[in-house]
Amino acid sequence: GAGVSQSPSNKVTEKGKDVELRCDPISGHTALYWYRQSLGQGLEFLIYFQGNSAPDKSGLPSDRFSAERTGGSVSTLTIQRTQQEDSAVYLCASSLAVIAKNIQYFGAGTRLSVL
Amino acid sequence: QKEVEQDPGPLSVPEGAIVSLNCTYSNSAFQYFMWYRQYSRKGPELLMYTYSSGNKEDGRFTAQVDKSSKYISLFIRDSQPSDSATYLCAMGGPYNQGGKLIFGQGTELSVKP
Repeated sequence: GAGVSQSPSNKVTEKGKDVELRCDPISGHTALYWYRQSLGQGLEFLIYFQGNSAPDKSGLPSDRFSAERTGGSVSTLTIQRTQQEDSAVYLCASSLAVIAKNIQYFGAGTRLSVL
Repeated sequence: QKEVEQDPGPLSVPEGAIVSLNCTYSNSAFQYFMWYRQYSRKGPELLMYTYSSGNKEDGRFTAQVDKSSKYISLFIRDSQPSDSATYLCAMGGPYNQGGKLIFGQGTELSVKP
């Protein structure tokens, strides 16, 4: 079946603008995760969803970042008033359930460039 | 100090060589250990998954976990140019603490023909 789908694949924006990044998880996966990968860095956890609720938002870098998930499916990560340090690849992953042993499947990511 | 440390490389080896990739970690609560492979401009894909100390083999790949030393390894035998990628170690757990993974920085591997 289809894997995790993210859109857009690339986004170039100007400093101060808002951006929305979309993630379509694998059908039937209740858990959804957002990570950020900066140049030359590993993945940094941002937030995860169990169904439509977000029990752990501890990784969101500032209050300019927010995320929501609707219908237990699609998720949107919003960055307000973008800054140059927000430039990174934003990766989404989904898994069957929110327990540590479940395998996470990743999308190809959205490459965000803030000019 | 980062929870998971991984040498970023880059690592360059000739085709056919044995490759050894390693990560150390500080959180003894980690229970699940994974290796992901990431090709350029692609998302990470799971390569190996273990949840206990010991070895796990899958084809040319062997994953080792030593919980007492807080050290994990990935070995690639008979390396191929198609193995050229960034390899990320990742850790999770405990079982009931959500599925958040902590990743190493990733090691960039290049296998030369």
